[in-house]
Amino acid sequence: DIVMTQSPDSLAVSLGERATVNCKSSQSVFYRSNNKNYLAWYQQKPGQPPKLLIYWASIRESGVPDRFSGSGSGTDFTLTISNLQAEDVAVYYCQQYYGPPLTFGGGTKVEIK
Amino acid sequence: EVQLLESGGGLVQPGGSLRLSCAASGFTFSSYVMSWVRQAPGKGLEWVSSITPGTGTTYYTDSVKGRFTISRDNSKNTIYLQMNSLRADDTALYYCAKDRSATDRYHFDFWGQGTLVTVSS
Repeated sequence: DIVMTQSPDSLAVSLGERATVNCKSSQSVFYRSNNKNYLAWYQQKPGQPPKLLIYWASIRESGVPDRFSGSGSGTDFTLTISNLQAEDVAVYYCQQYYGPPLTFGGGTKVEIK
Repeated sequence: EVQLLESGGGLVQPGGSLRLSCAASGFTFSSYVMSWVRQAPGKGLEWVSSITPGTGTTYYTDSVKGRFTISRDNSKNTIYLQMNSLRADDTALYYCAKDRSATDRYHFDFWGQGTLVTVSS
């Protein structure tokens, strides 16, 4: 199975600043035949189900603010939240869908400094 | 409006069984892969199982293979998760999740609110 490792486990960022969450897969999730990375990012706020933010590593889901962006390819990926807002406090998860089996990262908690 | 409504959770003794249901509406259910994802209290997300449309091909995480069975009834827009030989480490909130599109599979644009399964004596 593909293991997804996120870093850091948590981070505190000042309002208006940038938050960077990293995700590394144990093997490439890039599929050459369609030139796509099978990687998604989710946001989960307390007491709520996860919300899809990014898919294909860099495509923002409809309705997601443009301060959220995804980048990376192969085995290394990054979720960037620019201009952090109070409502962005949450746990963020990456997920590979090169499988099944599907696997999630352990999560990164983003807080306000 | 897409809706996913899970039910069937509860308290069960180790070794017992439960059947979860997820009733879907607001999209063409028969065209989509549907999945179960769980979250143990205070922990991260863990994919459990998926079922494809059409052929109904099923996939499971290793820890539930042979104990859990996913199924779907397209006439009722419902998926099920039959859970047998339950263990304490199956305790979690179980979410039903819908694929983002009928063709781009295995990432989820809509999740239910979850149903809680507690395995304890």
